[in-house]
Parts: sequence; structure tokens; C-alpha cells
Amino acid sequence: SAVISQKPSRDICQRGTSLTIQCQVDSQVTMMFWYRQQPGQSLTLIATANQGSEATYESGFVIDKFPISRPNLTFSTLTVSNMSPEDSSIYLCSVEGALGTGELFFGEGSRLTVL
Amino acid sequence: GDSVTQMEGPVTLSEEAFLTINCTYTATGYPSLFWYVQYPGEGLQLLLKATKADDKGSNKGFEATYRKETTSFHLEKGSVQVSDSAVYFCALSDDSWGKFQFGAGTQVVVTP
Repeated sequence: SAVISQKPSRDICQRGTSLTIQCQVDSQVTMMFWYRQQPGQSLTLIATANQGSEATYESGFVIDKFPISRPNLTFSTLTVSNMSPEDSSIYLCSVEGALGTGELFFGEGSRLTVL
Repeated sequence: GDSVTQMEGPVTLSEEAFLTINCTYTATGYPSLFWYVQYPGEGLQLLLKATKADDKGSNKGFEATYRKETTSFHLEKGSVQVSDSAVYFCALSDDSWGKFQFGAGTQVVVTP
């Protein structure tokens, strides 16, 4: 299993500002995934982040709004840019388990509230 | 595209009651199926999984059987405890690169 730490765990932000969420994994992983969990809704994949290449974004998500960094095999950041109240969500970092198991391990999430 | 539909909550039960959470899916391939659980204030944790038809996943008294003929993966527990109060997510993965489809989640509240 992997231990994933996210910072901040929660924050209250003002409209129009940006916030960067950090994700640290206790082991080297090839792929890291960023999910969003809007209030009362399911998890939606934002993007997949590989080390050394640009993140791959899912439909409806763009790099200008959610820039992602992946400087090494244990760390990634997600920035939520120019925030609006609609961005109020829990943002989750996840990594895949051992090759072939198909499992995902999740951080505890970063709960953002945009006023 | 792939999708997962699970029963809406909240589901409120008394301790020792039987729990069923329905989950059905649509997928073009042969997905692996998962149940994740999110306890209050914690991140999602894998509860159980099944990777092919007729497989049964089990953990902590919970069970779910991969039913290809009904495209279902219902979660069951024979006798719930207060500590089972959580949100349960059904999910599928149709490839090996971590791209999951999650259901909307079902909140379960178990009262003493």
C-alpha cells in the first residue's frame, strides 16, 4: 500500500485567487491522479500526472484552470486557478497500487471552500 | 462511456441489521469492480474488489459478487455495526492505468 499526504487538508479561499495543493507519496510511483469530489457528488478524474511529461486532462478540465506539476516520482501539485464558488470541492490525490492490482490509494483530500 | 449507478442514500439502519447497497454498471470491456469506503474525516479506502465475472470480493464482513449477466456488483453485510457508518462508493476500472469511474456514493448510517 501507499501512504499519501496532502496539504492543505482544508482551506477557505476568496474568489479570483489561486491555491496549490501538494501531494506527497511515501514511495515512487509512475502515475498520480487528481480527482475532484463536489458536494454530494461522486469523484471525477481531473487529470493523470506522469513524471517528466505534461499531465493528461480529462474532458471538461484544462491546464489553464488546473495546472499540475510532477517534478519527481513521489510528489505532485495541483493548482486551482482563478477560483469561483463552483470550485468548492474536495480534491483528492491518488496513486495506483502494485502493477496489475488495479487498486487506487487515496490521500485524505483537500477540502476547498471558495467564498 | 463507462458508468456506475448505485442506490441513493442515506441508508439508515439499526445495529446488527442486514445491509445491501445496489450497484450496476455499464462498460464496453471487461472491467474490474471495486467498493471503496470513506469513513468520516478520512480518505477513501479500498474495501473489496473483483476482477472477473463470478468473482466474490470480501473484507470486514462485506461481500460483493461480480455478476456479468446483470452487470451488477451489490455490496452486502449480514450484521452491521455503528463503526460501519460511512460513505460507500462503487467503482469500475476498464484499463490498467488507474482511470476509474465512480458511483455517486451511498451514505450509510448505523444507529445503536
